[in-house]
Amino acid sequence: AQSVTQLGSHVSVSEGALVLLRCNYSSSVPPYLFWYVQYPNQGLQLLLKYTSAATLVKGINGFEAEFKKSETSFHLTKPSAHMSDAAEYFCAVSDQGFQKLVFGTGTRLLVSP
Amino acid sequence: DAGVIQSPRHEVTEMGQEVTLRCKPISGHNSLFWYRQTMMRGLELLIYFNNNVPIDDSGMPEDRFSAKMPNASFSTLKIQPSEPRDSAVYFCASSPDRTDTQYFGPGTRLTVL
Repeated sequence: AQSVTQLGSHVSVSEGALVLLRCNYSSSVPPYLFWYVQYPNQGLQLLLKYTSAATLVKGINGFEAEFKKSETSFHLTKPSAHMSDAAEYFCAVSDQGFQKLVFGTGTRLLVSP
Repeated sequence: DAGVIQSPRHEVTEMGQEVTLRCKPISGHNSLFWYRQTMMRGLELLIYFNNNVPIDDSGMPEDRFSAKMPNASFSTLKIQPSEPRDSAVYFCASSPDRTDTQYFGPGTRLTVL
């Protein structure tokens, strides 16, 4: 069965610092992987997706993620945090394309001035 | 273009009452998904439809839950009778087809007293 583990329920960074949110997956077949962001009282918005093409995926708002099969990881990074990045971030995996996503428990990113 | 529309945004009801949540997907989208988000269990897929047909309802917690999609522009998730443990945020999402990104609505926050 597919699953996702997000290490750290909360991550705190200073504005301008590197953002690193960790995601490890488990899947019996080559997976599709996704990062979503959720702002308070809003639905989820897709940041980026991996669908077996390039292993380094660039998304919106300056975020990117690298698929590492050997490490079963898909960590999300951003070189310089902005106050507006404060939100909850979800990693998701699917072994059925875009249909049946399994989400991680989420990581709340806190950005301090 | 309007995004996914969910109503009501907030619902407070008493245990034993029937609750109906509504979703209008993005026009032209052929797939529709219902999710539930709780602190304990995170974000879970309840059921999804392709072309108005339910494809996978394995995530529906029990017979008290039912979902319908009578046409391409409307879906309902019904809970009868409701229980306090059903308190959660329920999200609806739609995608253009089974090979594309899911777009989430703002959610309905349900509180069952």
